[in-house]
Amino acid sequence: EAQVTQNPRYLITVTGKKLTVTCSQNMNHEYMSWYRQDPGLGLRQIYYSMNVEVTDKGDVPEGYKVSRKEKRNFPLILESPSPNQTSLYFCASSPRAGRSYEQYFGPGTRLTVT
Amino acid sequence: AQTVTQSQPEMSVQEAETVTLSCTYDTSESDYYLFWYKQPPSRQMILVIRQEAYKQQNATENRFSVNFQKAAKSFSLKISDSQLGDAAMYFCAYSGNNNDMRFGAGTRLTVKP
Repeated sequence: EAQVTQNPRYLITVTGKKLTVTCSQNMNHEYMSWYRQDPGLGLRQIYYSMNVEVTDKGDVPEGYKVSRKEKRNFPLILESPSPNQTSLYFCASSPRAGRSYEQYFGPGTRLTVT
Repeated sequence: AQTVTQSQPEMSVQEAETVTLSCTYDTSESDYYLFWYKQPPSRQMILVIRQEAYKQQNATENRFSVNFQKAAKSFSLKISDSQLGDAAMYFCAYSGNNNDMRFGAGTRLTVKP
């Protein structure tokens, strides 16, 4: 089944403890992206990647890191999480960068930082 | 930067009735795409419909249609014959030249039986 997977789906952690949220797609998509969803703000882009080894900042990159060593994987790293990073996170992919392409979303990761 | 505005945080509709969700956007680009995504309680984001800015004809997908007014920068979603399964958060999104997708704040739709 063509899909985007994320792990974990739920995570509660403490301030300052490094964490990684994994994202993987099996559709051979070139473009991948991370968003965070907050009430009243919709989805905001954190980072995106147009292909392997090519990443760029979105609207809210502060406090996050990403890497794209393989086409299928695009992990999101929080080196020192803070409570303001408590949010719902989505990974998405599309066949390639471009305005016409639908993005396919993962199931979301609910992160709570205490 | 492009912005997307959904001015209705919540809407409700009676089952089998029609409802229209509003979306406006701000851009200086001439070629772009607009999307409506649905997010049911499962949290999964599902594409409902898309519209290319250069196409005059409004997109339609079964009970879902859009009213695209390019000059007014308006992109509303009409849901006809509303069903209980249509209850969800709906997000309007813009995709232009910057390789990103910008979302509105969302409209929560309730369907009353």
